Amino acid sequence: SQTIHQWPATLVQPVGSPLSLECTVEGTSNPNLYWYRQAAGRGLQLLFYSVGIGQISSEVPQNLSASRPQDRQFILSSKKLLLSDSGFYLCVSVRGYGYTFGSGTRLTVV
Amino acid sequence: SQQGEEDPQALSIQEGENATMNCSYKTSINNLQWYRQNSGRGLVHLILIRSNEREKHSGRLRVTLDTSKKSSSLLITASRAADTASYFCATDTFGNEKLTFGTGTRLTIIP
Repeated sequence: SQTIHQWPATLVQPVGSPLSLECTVEGTSNPNLYWYRQAAGRGLQLLFYSVGIGQISSEVPQNLSASRPQDRQFILSSKKLLLSDSGFYLCVSVRGYGYTFGSGTRLTVV
Repeated sequence: SQQGEEDPQALSIQEGENATMNCSYKTSINNLQWYRQNSGRGLVHLILIRSNEREKHSGRLRVTLDTSKKSSSLLITASRAADTASYFCATDTFGNEKLTFGTGTRLTIIP
């Protein structure tokens, strides 16, 4: 079965600093990978998804970017964080309508 | 874009009572799922209902789906304090497994 390793679990970063969140998948190959964000008290918004190495689709314009350097690695990045980037970030792996969720990263930008 | 809307946004009930949450969506779906999230942490999958199903049970959970009204409901019977959490519906469409989440219902069970 699939498992997702997502780290760190919590992160406090100053405004203007860079960001790198990593998600790795085990137990499957060629999954579709997704990054979601949840602002405080709200639902999950899809940010990026990837169907393969180097293939990234962006759902909403924003201050963030994503990369998929390896089949089972998905990275969320920012060059300069904004206060509005604070939230809960969730990585999701999907293979044949089987969904596996990471444990999430709570990012606070101060 | 978020196509799911849950209502109510927040619900408080006494322990032992039943809790009902609703979810509406806008486009045709393949599957609808319900998830629980405790205190802004990771998601726990509760139940999946397919577009050709009308009702599904899992323990104290009962989910209904009305595709003509594009809505679903989640019923938790005999609620417990541990059921306190946020509940989200999520849909996917035929040929596209991308999940679209609703805005969630915050459920509080009062001991």
